[in-house]
Amino acid sequence: EPEVTQTPSHQVTQMGQEVILRCVPISNHLYFYWYRQILGQKVEFLVSFYNNEISEKSEIFDDQFSVERPDGSNFTLKIRSTKLEDSAMYFCASSDPPQGYGDGGYTFGSGTRLTVV
Amino acid sequence: LAKTTQPISMDSYEGQEVNITCSHNNIATNDYITWYQQFPSQGPRFIIQGYKTKVTNEVASLFIPADRKSSTLSLPRVSLSDTAVYYCLVGPTGYSTLTFGKGTMLLVSP
Repeated sequence: EPEVTQTPSHQVTQMGQEVILRCVPISNHLYFYWYRQILGQKVEFLVSFYNNEISEKSEIFDDQFSVERPDGSNFTLKIRSTKLEDSAMYFCASSDPPQGYGDGGYTFGSGTRLTVV
Repeated sequence: LAKTTQPISMDSYEGQEVNITCSHNNIATNDYITWYQQFPSQGPRFIIQGYKTKVTNEVASLFIPADRKSSTLSLPRVSLSDTAVYYCLVGPTGYSTLTFGKGTMLLVSP
C-alpha cells in the first residue's frame, strides 16, 4: 500500500530557531496538506497545496509558516522562529483527486513530533 | 459543516463487536459521512465512508439510517490492535479540508 513518508520522526529545536519538516507524498498524488495535533488536542488543518501554490490555509498558518515543493517528490513545511506553542505532531497528507468527505479520504503520514524547548 | 457528537470513550473486550454511534443532526444533502482511525503517535487513517444505507469493507461497516441524522461504525470482533481514537467526520464531497473533532477513544482489553 502506498505511503506518505515524513522525516524526521522527531525533532527538538530551540525556541526562535527555524525548522523544516519534510514529506514525500504518494507519487501520483497532486494535492498535499499539512495538519497538526497538539498533545491531547484535535487534529487541526494548516494548509493545502496544489499546482505549486497554496489552495487554502487556516488562521493558524500565519507568516511564520511556509510550504514548498522543492522538487518532484518532496513537500516541506518551514516554521520560522519557532515558539513553545508550536510543539505538536505535524502530519502531512496527500490525495488525488482532491479529496473531501466522500471520495475515499486522504492518506496521512506518521507525523513529525516537533518539540520546541 | 455539520456538527458531530460521538462518545468520548468506549471500552470493549477482544472478540466483541463494537458499535460507535455519531449524531449529526444538521447534515446537509451533499454531505458524506467519513470515519478515520488514529493510533497513538500516528496520523489518522481513513476507514470507511458512506452517504446512506449500509457500506461494508474489509475493516468495518457503516450504517446510516434513512434520515441520515446519525451513523454507526461497526467493528466486528475487535482485537487489542483496534485500540485507537475513531473520528466521525461529516462534510461535502469534492475538495474540502477535513475538520476533526475529539473522536471516540476505544480501549480494547483482553
